Amino acid sequence: EPEVTQTPSHQVTQMGQEVILRCVPISNHLYFYWYRQILGQKVEFLVSFYNNEISEKSEIFDDQFSVERPDGSNFTLKIRSTKLEDSAMYFCASSEQNAWVNEQFFGPGTRLTVL
Amino acid sequence: DAKTTQPNSMESNEEEPVHLPCNHSTISGTDYIHWYRQLPSQGPEYVIHGLTSNVNNRMASLAIAEDRKSSTLILHRATLRDAAVYYCILVNTGNQFYFGTGTSLTVIP
Repeated sequence: EPEVTQTPSHQVTQMGQEVILRCVPISNHLYFYWYRQILGQKVEFLVSFYNNEISEKSEIFDDQFSVERPDGSNFTLKIRSTKLEDSAMYFCASSEQNAWVNEQFFGPGTRLTVL
Repeated sequence: DAKTTQPNSMESNEEEPVHLPCNHSTISGTDYIHWYRQLPSQGPEYVIHGLTSNVNNRMASLAIAEDRKSSTLILHRATLRDAAVYYCILVNTGNQFYFGTGTSLTVIP
């Protein structure tokens, strides 16, 4: 069964460093998403991406965040200058159609620890 | 973001049906009702979604009130693997999903 994969599973970085979290969505999916979940808190929407551009973003997704689909398979989330409060689990998701009317498939997540 | 209200926690005995309620009194005409669940230490997992009519799939059933101000997720026979946090989410034409705090389901063997 096709699945969303994410790498690395755990990333440790120093405050102020840049990190790139990688995701490989399901191959025929057209819509891509990033979410984060701070330990013990709820899942928070960050951004959705379709047709090579951001379609929606939340207030959390400020200028330090960016997303890219550098090739036909990868979808990345970049955090330019990490802060302690960026420590969280980051989930990538994809859907074949708009998730309004279609299911999203989530990856296993990348745990980001900022020291 | 459109608001839903769910009980913080529920318990069920294994192999018995579970009814998980959700109130969404401010739902708009174009909001879809989605249910996702999150097992411990995993990413969210799609369960079911609907607009107006009741829906069934291999995982669960979704019963939507006639006025659409509430819905109920029905797991027909709870298993230990169904222990998770269940999220009821309203989604409009935008692609933003707002997960609330959900209902933590405990399944008792």
